[in-house]
Amino acid sequence: KQEVTQIPAALSVPEGENLVLNCSFTDSAIYNLQWFRQDPGKGLTSLLLIQSSQREQTSGRLNASLDKSSGRSTLYIAASQPGDSATYLCAVSAPNYQLIWGAGTKLIIKP
Amino acid sequence: DGGITQSPKYLFRKEGQNVTLSCEQNLNHDAMYWYRQDPGQGLRLIYYSQIVNDFQKGDIAEGYSVSREKKESFPLTVTSAQKNPTAFYLCASNIVWTGDNSPLHFGNGTRLTVT
Repeated sequence: KQEVTQIPAALSVPEGENLVLNCSFTDSAIYNLQWFRQDPGKGLTSLLLIQSSQREQTSGRLNASLDKSSGRSTLYIAASQPGDSATYLCAVSAPNYQLIWGAGTKLIIKP
Repeated sequence: DGGITQSPKYLFRKEGQNVTLSCEQNLNHDAMYWYRQDPGQGLRLIYYSQIVNDFQKGDIAEGYSVSREKKESFPLTVTSAQKNPTAFYLCASNIVWTGDNSPLHFGNGTRLTVT
């Protein structure tokens, strides 16, 4: 059974730092992996989607990598800003196209 | 602008009452989903629908029911049979391509409190 883990559950860093969020999964048979952002009391916003055949995707200051063989993905945020404070969730697509979710990492960027 | 609208934002009910959460999308997406989010846990799938008049149970469907009479609408009913209904409920939609899926679009959620 696919399990998705995000460690740490919370992270606090000073503004301007580059940082990495981690996502690990137990079954490498995935179609894609997605990273989402969730602001308090809100829905989720899709940030990046990496197909299983891809190694990474970039959008602005965000870069997501995927290593299926090791069951890992990272979300790199460059030059962090207070507006980046949110909970970041990753999800992998199972063979039936449904998503298996991690519990998220709550990120706080201190001004 | 296209998007997903969930209403109401907050909902309070007494134990034993059924309650229906609304989800409407104008993105012309075929697939719609209902998730439940609890603190410290990943999202859990309640029901999903890939086409009008058809829907499938997700991982935690017991105590919930849905309908998909229109492409734009996918309401969720939380019945009195749901043992622990207090949670944050999220509706999502996407385009389903053969062999893959597109990024999910989410509504802003409904926080249900049952006392």
